[in-house]
Amino acid sequence: RKEVEQDPGPFNVPEGATVAFNCTYSNSASQSFFWYRQDCRKEPKLLMSVYSSGNEDGRFTAQLNRASQYISLLIRDSKLSDSATYLCALNRGSARQLTFGSGTQLTVLP
Amino acid sequence: GAVVSQHPSWVICKSGTSVKIECRSLDFQATTMFWYRQFPKQSLMLMATSNEGSKATYEQGVEKDKFLINHASLTLSTLTVTSAHPEDSSFYICSAREGHSNQPQHFGDGTRLSIL
Repeated sequence: RKEVEQDPGPFNVPEGATVAFNCTYSNSASQSFFWYRQDCRKEPKLLMSVYSSGNEDGRFTAQLNRASQYISLLIRDSKLSDSATYLCALNRGSARQLTFGSGTQLTVLP
Repeated sequence: GAVVSQHPSWVICKSGTSVKIECRSLDFQATTMFWYRQFPKQSLMLMATSNEGSKATYEQGVEKDKFLINHASLTLSTLTVTSAHPEDSSFYICSAREGHSNQPQHFGDGTRLSIL
């Protein structure tokens, strides 16, 4: 089983829609979780960390469910500029290396 | 702040050539640098972790003699793909982290390597 699994999509949604992505992880000892955004042929950019109590940043809400070992990202009122690939990631090991999911592709349509 | 520069951004070369990619932290000292590889429509896969002044730690399945990593200073790490072949064509991305392992990683722009 992969350490981190994501639905690859693609998700095609109209502008203004709400869309949610999930990501499951296999190692229950994982401590830190993140959502990254990656545009085509670019490096990943940190979107937000995911905290146990859930956290919100504008239109973006991240949640962690340790019991079921998944994290989620909710995007409200989606914009055309939200079109990208969204990668979940977690820290592992003593050096806190990042392990990434395969990414979920989102296209917001006008 | 926290800018990581990667060079070159794009390289095309013949099979058998060795290619060096540089990763620099411009405004902070990077105790640890990471090298990732990403094939089309796949995720970033960690290749190796390098700490300044010591040998890199390679992930399982990554050939250390093919992917030479040097982290000689706190602001520079290099990845050399030796005797590159078409199957080495990929997007190579570095990241750098300052100090404590709880600090975030900052990513370079990536290098798109195409081997003909």
